[in-house]
Amino acid sequence: DQQVKQNSPSLSVQEGRISILNCDYTNSMFDYFLWYKKYPAEGPTFLISISSIKDKNEDGRFTVFLNKSAKHLSLHIVPSQPGDSAVYFCAASEMGGGADGLTFGKGTHLIIQP
Amino acid sequence: GAVVSQHPSWVICKSGTSVKIECRSLDFQATTMFWYRQFPKQSLMLMATSNEGSKATYEQGVEKDKFLINHASLTLSTLTVTSAHPEDSSFYICSARGQAAYYNEQFFGPGTRLTVL
Repeated sequence: DQQVKQNSPSLSVQEGRISILNCDYTNSMFDYFLWYKKYPAEGPTFLISISSIKDKNEDGRFTVFLNKSAKHLSLHIVPSQPGDSAVYFCAASEMGGGADGLTFGKGTHLIIQP
Repeated sequence: GAVVSQHPSWVICKSGTSVKIECRSLDFQATTMFWYRQFPKQSLMLMATSNEGSKATYEQGVEKDKFLINHASLTLSTLTVTSAHPEDSSFYICSARGQAAYYNEQFFGPGTRLTVL
């Protein structure tokens, strides 16, 4: 049973527009959420995170929104750039993100079109 | 900062042999390291958590006698796949969690592609 779900296997967005990647979770014990970017045959690269006590965290072009009541989070990238093309993984943790392993979604392949 | 390396980056071995993968935190001390595996087009699945100086904690369904983990120092953890079989072929990725400023994030290594013939 998948506790972290990314229902869109792929997403195509035009360069300069906003990319919105979605993630849903079922475990109400999750209290820390992270987004990672990954290229084939490489390890994930940390992008941005959010604690459950917040509903928004922003870092440059990346903003993560958390809706606890809906158990939903999203990553917004604006403006989208060609270098953003990659697989994006949503991950969650029960203990502040550090003390235990992460539970990952299956990823969304973001394709930025020129 | 927060660089994690893995060695080797890829390895091909015969069925029945053992393979050791190293995970190093290069510029910080990692109190905890995690090992994940990823099958093609699948998510990363946590295999085990290792804390320096203590035994690793394995996730349900992961054979501890097959996947030996040693976290001998604050900068090095090793995963040994013993008596490897073709079904063990996968992409193995480690991550490390540090102290202080890096407490809340896990930093991932580049991964190791294991192919068992």
